[in-house]
Amino acid sequence: EPEVTQTPSHQVTQMGQEVILRCVPISNHLYFYWYRQILGQKVEFLVSFYNNEISEKSEIFDDQFSVERPDGSNFTLKIRSTKLEDSAMYFCASKSGGDTQYFGPGTRLTVL
Amino acid sequence: QQQVKQSPQSLIVQKGGISIINCAYENTAFDYFPWYQQFPGKGPALLIAIRPDVSEKKEGRFTISFNKSAKQFSLHIMDSQPGDSATYFCAAHYTGTASKLTFGTGTRLQVTL
Repeated sequence: EPEVTQTPSHQVTQMGQEVILRCVPISNHLYFYWYRQILGQKVEFLVSFYNNEISEKSEIFDDQFSVERPDGSNFTLKIRSTKLEDSAMYFCASKSGGDTQYFGPGTRLTVL
Repeated sequence: QQQVKQSPQSLIVQKGGISIINCAYENTAFDYFPWYQQFPGKGPALLIAIRPDVSEKKEGRFTISFNKSAKQFSLHIMDSQPGDSATYFCAAHYTGTASKLTFGTGTRLQVTL
């Protein structure tokens, strides 16, 4: 069964450093998402991406964040200058034209 | 108006019992209501979903009940098993090309022997 994959599973970085989180969505999917989950809290929407552009972004997704689909398979989330409060699980999700979003296993980001 | 409220925060049920988790929403534009199951260290996985044109949907031991007028929906897990122990999130979105999911706060379910 096709699945969304994410790398790395755990990323540790120093405050102020740039990080890139990588995702490979399910191959025939058209819509791509990033969500985050701070430990013990609910899953929060960050950004949606369709047809090579951002469809919607949340208040969390400020100028420090960017997304890119550099080729036909990868979907990346970049945080330019990480803050302590960026520490969270980051989930990539994708969907075809239907309703169901399929989530990856997540990347745990720890900012020291 | 975008919130989805979920209760209880945690739930302990004996094996074989019924687990019930409730959610309420405000945005009447929402028209798709999935439940996700999340095990520790894993991503959310779709469990079951419903649209507001039906009042109930059942898949195996899992049932969603939907009350459109009250703007509430609930997940019932019949014959709960220890393997059901996980965090459950209700969510909602409105049909659109790239519509985001709005999640509830989650319910940590523990099924005891």
